[in-house]
Amino acid sequence: DTEVTQTPKHLVMGMTNKKSLKCEQHMGHRAMYWYKQKAKKPPELMFVYSYEKLSINESVPSRFSPECPNSSLLNLHLHALQPEDSALYLCASSQDRSGANVLTFGAGSRLTVL
Amino acid sequence: TQLLEQSPQFLSIQEGENLTVYCNSSSVFSSLQWYRQEPGEGPVLLVTVVTGGEVKKLKRLTFQFGDARKDSSLHITAAQPGDTGLYLCAKGNTPLVFGKGTRLSVIA
Repeated sequence: DTEVTQTPKHLVMGMTNKKSLKCEQHMGHRAMYWYKQKAKKPPELMFVYSYEKLSINESVPSRFSPECPNSSLLNLHLHALQPEDSALYLCASSQDRSGANVLTFGAGSRLTVL
Repeated sequence: TQLLEQSPQFLSIQEGENLTVYCNSSSVFSSLQWYRQEPGEGPVLLVTVVTGGEVKKLKRLTFQFGDARKDSSLHITAAQPGDTGLYLCAKGNTPLVFGKGTRLSVIA
């Protein structure tokens, strides 16, 4: 299995809803990432987990809450989002955080906040 | 943060034409990666370049890393509609930080 699987593919939520995005990989990768991508922009790093511990938080608002329950799973919990949070949320994984690692990306979850 | 500048931002060409896109920085990189992202998908790695002056070929795509390891180029020969997408360069060490990308459209 050489894939990163993200669910759901599309999500529409209101500003008072609580929802979660899920990411799964079975490549034995020990680093996992969340990126946010707005239309016509490059992906921007949000969080990095290394060996199931949060190692980087790029000053992301607390309405986004990441969780890494085990080495194969990465969640992004969403609460009280704003319309400007609408974007494509990309999960990625790599062997670990060292060196010139290759990232494998999922297809993304497209989030619309109404 | 090491700033990566990509040019051009947008490129629209006819099928069969050649093109070159560029990735430049004021800083030296230990390595640099090129990704392509198609609509509705995540970025997919095309190549990693590590050594200054290195040239790598992937079918019709030729990647070059500058001698000083501050810049890189991607040349596509005889572009096809399937080459359409967003081409992103990134400094090779994780976590990846991307340039702004070149959005390529190849018209049949």
